[in-house]
Amino acid sequence: DVKVTQSSRYLVKRTGEKVFLECVQDMDHENMFWYRQDPGLGLRLIYFSYDVKMKEKGDIPEGYSVSREKKERFSLILESASTNQTSMYLCASSYPGTDLAKNIQYFGAGTRLSVL
Amino acid sequence: QKEVEQDPGPLSVPEGAIVSLNCTYSNSAFQYFMWYRQYSRKGPELLMYTYSSGNKEDGRFTAQVDKSSKYISLFIRDSQPSDSATYLCAMRGGSNYKLTFGKGTLLTVNP
Repeated sequence: DVKVTQSSRYLVKRTGEKVFLECVQDMDHENMFWYRQDPGLGLRLIYFSYDVKMKEKGDIPEGYSVSREKKERFSLILESASTNQTSMYLCASSYPGTDLAKNIQYFGAGTRLSVL
Repeated sequence: QKEVEQDPGPLSVPEGAIVSLNCTYSNSAFQYFMWYRQYSRKGPELLMYTYSSGNKEDGRFTAQVDKSSKYISLFIRDSQPSDSATYLCAMRGGSNYKLTFGKGTLLTVNP
C-alpha cells in the first residue's frame, strides 16, 4: 500500500512564526505536491516537485516555499505565518509521466493548521 | 467561467438510493478524469479514473464522461452509509501533471 505521511495532524502557530510542514512517502515516487484545501475553494496547488531539489510553483505559491533534499521527503515552509494561511494542507505523491494508470496522486491525511 | 464546476451540495439520500454526482468543465484540453472520495478529516483517495468519453464501471460505482458536453458524472448504486463523504472530481490534460479539482460534493447516506 502506498503511504504518504504528514508529520502533524493539527498545528497551532502564532502570526509571524516560521512553520514547517513535513511529508514523507514510501513509494519511491518522483513527484510530490503540496495543496491547501479551503471551504468553498477546493484544493489548490501550492508547489510541485518532480525530483530532488527541483520544484515548480503551483497556483498559489505566495507566502510559501518548499524543500526537497531527499526523494521521499517534501517540506512546505511558511516563512512568516499569517492568519490567512489557516487551512488544511495536503501532501500528495505520484510517479512521473502521462500514463494515468501509473501517475495517480496519493494523498496524505492532511495537516490542519491554525494561525492565531 | 471557472475551469471546473461542481455542485457542493450537501446531498442527503436514503440508504439504497442511486446517487448522481456531476461536474462540468470548460477546458477542452482535459483528457483524464478522476473521482476522489474524501472522508471527514482524511485525505482524498482515488475512487475511479477514466480517459475519453464513455462509461467505466467498478462494483457499485460508474463513471461517465461526455467530452462533447464537457460533463462528467459518478453514479453510486445501492448507496450505503459508508459512502457518506465528500466526492471530488479532478481532471487534467494529456501531457500535464497538474490536476484541476472541483470543489467537492458532500454526500450523506442515511440508514
